[in-house]
Amino acid sequence: DARVTQTPRHKVTEMGQEVTMRCQPILGHNTVFWYRQTMMQGLELLAYFRNRAPLDDSGMPKDRFSAEMPDATLATLKIQPSEPRDSAVYFCASGLVGGLAGEQYFGPGTRLTVT
Amino acid sequence: RKEVEQDPGPFNVPEGATVAFNCTYSNSASQSFFWYRQDCRKEPKLLMSVYSSGNEDGRFTAQLNRASQYISLLIRDSKLSDSATYLCAVMRPPSNTGKLIFGQGTTLQVKP
Repeated sequence: DARVTQTPRHKVTEMGQEVTMRCQPILGHNTVFWYRQTMMQGLELLAYFRNRAPLDDSGMPKDRFSAEMPDATLATLKIQPSEPRDSAVYFCASGLVGGLAGEQYFGPGTRLTVT
Repeated sequence: RKEVEQDPGPFNVPEGATVAFNCTYSNSASQSFFWYRQDCRKEPKLLMSVYSSGNEDGRFTAQLNRASQYISLLIRDSKLSDSATYLCAVMRPPSNTGKLIFGQGTTLQVKP
């Protein structure tokens, strides 16, 4: 059963530290998404890639967040420096997007706490 | 007005009941719609896709009303295990972007 994997599952860090989250999308999927979920804001799209090229990162605070996809099996989301307001669950999702098809499959998430 | 809106609930229903949730969307050009289920402290899991008027899978039926711009999810014969948050997602046009906009979710509690 193909799944999206994410590491780490939990991360506790101090304000100002760098945080890197990793995602392995489902093999063969052409689009990778990064989301953030909080109680207040719900599920927000941060950035996404099509065939490894960044398509849209307008949901991301540019000054501290960066997303990359160095190869087809790895997507990364980095926060530097981290702040307490970044505490959230970060999900990666992947999908085979084309035409009307848009099903996305989520990884288990990284639960980030910034103190 | 939010792009995608859901009644947060909670909906409290007894086992065996039929329950329906609605999700309204603002962009009339949207063509692809999805329902996800999310359990507490877990990731959203795809439940159903809706591309035309509706879709059915066992006890679950999703319907699309384009004129009124909403999708609904009907659950028949509710089970305790159906307790979860149900998220609707709408693909923002143009459809080939793959960009989904999620509602805030509707919480369902099925009681014995």
